[in-house]
Amino acid sequence: QVQLVQSGAEVKKPGASVKVSCKTSGYTFNSFYIHWLRQAPGQGLEWMGIINPYNGDTRHAQKLQGRITMTRDTSTATVYMELKSLKSEDTAVYFCARDRTVVLAATEYYFGFWGQGTQLTVST
Amino acid sequence: QSALTQPASVSGSPGQSISISCTGTNNDIGTYNFVSWYQQRPGTAPQLLIYQVVNRPSGVPDRFSGSKSAYAASLTISGLQAEDEADYYCASYTRNNTPIFGGGTKLTVV
Repeated sequence: QVQLVQSGAEVKKPGASVKVSCKTSGYTFNSFYIHWLRQAPGQGLEWMGIINPYNGDTRHAQKLQGRITMTRDTSTATVYMELKSLKSEDTAVYFCARDRTVVLAATEYYFGFWGQGTQLTVST
Repeated sequence: QSALTQPASVSGSPGQSISISCTGTNNDIGTYNFVSWYQQRPGTAPQLLIYQVVNRPSGVPDRFSGSKSAYAASLTISGLQAEDEADYYCASYTRNNTPIFGGGTKLTVV
């Protein structure tokens, strides 16, 4: 069965960086887009970015320009999301999610399988 | 870009039907049939309920259905059950080739 397992909770100081991992299994890693989303406390969902595991191409939300980097390791079927220059507003649960769409087609942004979430707390 | 508009809360009794609306603009729902709905129980990750406006992934009960008219989409849950109590989010593809979410609706089964 499809599984996405994320790394554990993080506590960081403002200005620091964090790198969250998402290890996938149960399907062909290169075949489906992976997205990163986050949810601030008591708030709704926010899309952060997408990576194509086949070729490593990425796109991200404009508001995160210059701060987000997404990468993948095909040997371990793992994707990573690094967020730099952390602010208190980045405190949230971070999710990776697998698209329903294969990478041969354009994504329609359907998040069919989710990781369990990674709590990031940014505080002095 | 502003979030899609959902009611903050809805409620219903077991066995009843409820609908949750999701209103957008011509930059998203009004132009594209790429609408999805998610259920999120407290402390867990969201689960995809509906995609492409009306389609259900395998394993999602047919009590859940989706529709769209003009700039608004709707999620209907029929035969309400206690386990349906959760937060529900709509989402849509946008003209910017990014997704946008609604603010979420808390469903209470009374």
